[in-house]
Amino acid sequence: QVQLVESGGGVVQPGRSLRLSCVTSGFDFSSYGIHWVRQAPGKGLEWVAVISYDATNEYYADSVKGRFTISRDNSKNTAYLQMSGLRPEDTAVYYCAKGWWKQLWGIDYWGQGTLVTVSS
Amino acid sequence: QSMLTQPPSASGTPGQRVTISCSGSISNIGSDYVYWYQQVSGSAPKLLIYRNNQRPSGVPDRFSGSKSGTSASLAISGLRSEDEADYYCAAWDDSLSGPVFGGGTKLTVL
Repeated sequence: QVQLVESGGGVVQPGRSLRLSCVTSGFDFSSYGIHWVRQAPGKGLEWVAVISYDATNEYYADSVKGRFTISRDNSKNTAYLQMSGLRPEDTAVYYCAKGWWKQLWGIDYWGQGTLVTVSS
Repeated sequence: QSMLTQPPSASGTPGQRVTISCSGSISNIGSDYVYWYQQVSGSAPKLLIYRNNQRPSGVPDRFSGSKSGTSASLAISGLRSEDEADYYCAAWDDSLSGPVFGGGTKLTVL
């Protein structure tokens, strides 16, 4: 069955960096885009970034552009979110999510999420 | 700020039919597919409806989606207590080059 498992969350000071990982299984990772979506405490879902199945396209929300970088390693079935210049407003549960076959849009499966807390 | 507008709350009694609306613009709902997600408290979101009106396997046919112009809606018939959750609509936005989510609708089963 399709599984996505995020890791790398934790407490970090403002201005510091953190890298999230998303290890996947149960599907042909190299044929699907991967999204990161976050949810601040008590708030709704906010899309963060997407990377195409072949890593040729990346798109970011304005709120993280220039600070976050999405990447993937198809040999390891793993996606990453490198976060730098973290701000308190980046505090959220970060979900990685599986996209649609060879398309940028469409999310069908979600991981369980990893909590990132930005605080001094 | 969400670019898709949903009512913050909805409610119904068991067995009733409820509808949740999602309003967007020509750059999102008006030009691409709408997806709906259900999030039970404390859990990850789950796909409920894809490509406007398609149900993944395992989703009961009590759930249905529709789209017209720049608006979409999710209908839940035969409401059950386990339907109590937050519901989100989402669509790709051409002007942002990324998807946008609605603010979410909290459904309460009275």
